[in-house]
Amino acid sequence: KAGVTQTPRYLIKTRGQQVTLSCSPISGHRSVSWYQQTPGQGLQFLFEYFSETQRNKGNFPGRFSGRQFSNSRSEMNVSTLELGDSALYLCASSLEGQNFYEQYFGPGTRLTVT
Amino acid sequence: AQSVSQHNHHVILSEAASLELGCNYSYGGTVNLFWYVQYPGQHLQLLLKYFSGDPLVKGIKGFEAEFIKSKFSFNLRKPSVQWSDTAEYFCAVNANSGGYQKVTFGIGTKLQVIP
Repeated sequence: KAGVTQTPRYLIKTRGQQVTLSCSPISGHRSVSWYQQTPGQGLQFLFEYFSETQRNKGNFPGRFSGRQFSNSRSEMNVSTLELGDSALYLCASSLEGQNFYEQYFGPGTRLTVT
Repeated sequence: AQSVSQHNHHVILSEAASLELGCNYSYGGTVNLFWYVQYPGQHLQLLLKYFSGDPLVKGIKGFEAEFIKSKFSFNLRKPSVQWSDTAEYFCAVNANSGGYQKVTFGIGTKLQVIP
C-alpha cells in the first residue's frame, strides 16, 4: 500500500500571500489530520477531517483552513501568510478516525515564508 | 487546556545503556496515550499506544511504556539501546476537550546513541 503523500514537498512564499497544501491519505483511510511542526513548539494539531467534515480542530487562527474531498484527499490553505507560519506541515491519515487511533504520517511540506 | 511535557530534550547514551524518557501530561479526564518516533530522514511513526487495560504496553523494537494514572505519566523505556535507536521521540495525548477530540504532542526528545 502506498503511504501518505504530500505535495509539494517544499514551498517558498512571501508575506501576505496564500498557500494550498495537499495530502493524499493511505487508500481506505477516511480520517486526515494536519499538524504544524516547528523547532520551538513541536507538533501542534491544526484540524482533522473525516468524511469531508471537519470534526476536530486545534487552536489556530481562521487564516488556517482545510477541506476534504469525497476521495478523502485533503487540502490545507493558509491565507495572508506571516513569517511565523514557516514550518513543516504534516498530514496524517488513519482508518477509523475515532480517538486518533494509529496515525500514519506523510513526509511533510516544508513552508518557508520570507 | 491539556499539555504534554517531555523533560529531556536531548539525551546521549552509549549502546547497551538503558533508556527512560519522561512524559507527563495535564488532563483530568480519560486519555489515550502515544509514543511516536522519527528516525533521521524518515516519517513519524507510531511506537506504541495505550487506550485501556494493562498499563504496561509494549511496542515495536523492544520499547515499552508504563501508564501511571496517579502521576499523569507515560514514560518510555528500553532496557538496552542500539545505535539504530538514534531518533527523535514524541509523546502524545488524545483527550476530549470542549467537545472536540484533540491530540497534543510533546516537544520531542532527541536521542543520540553512541556506538
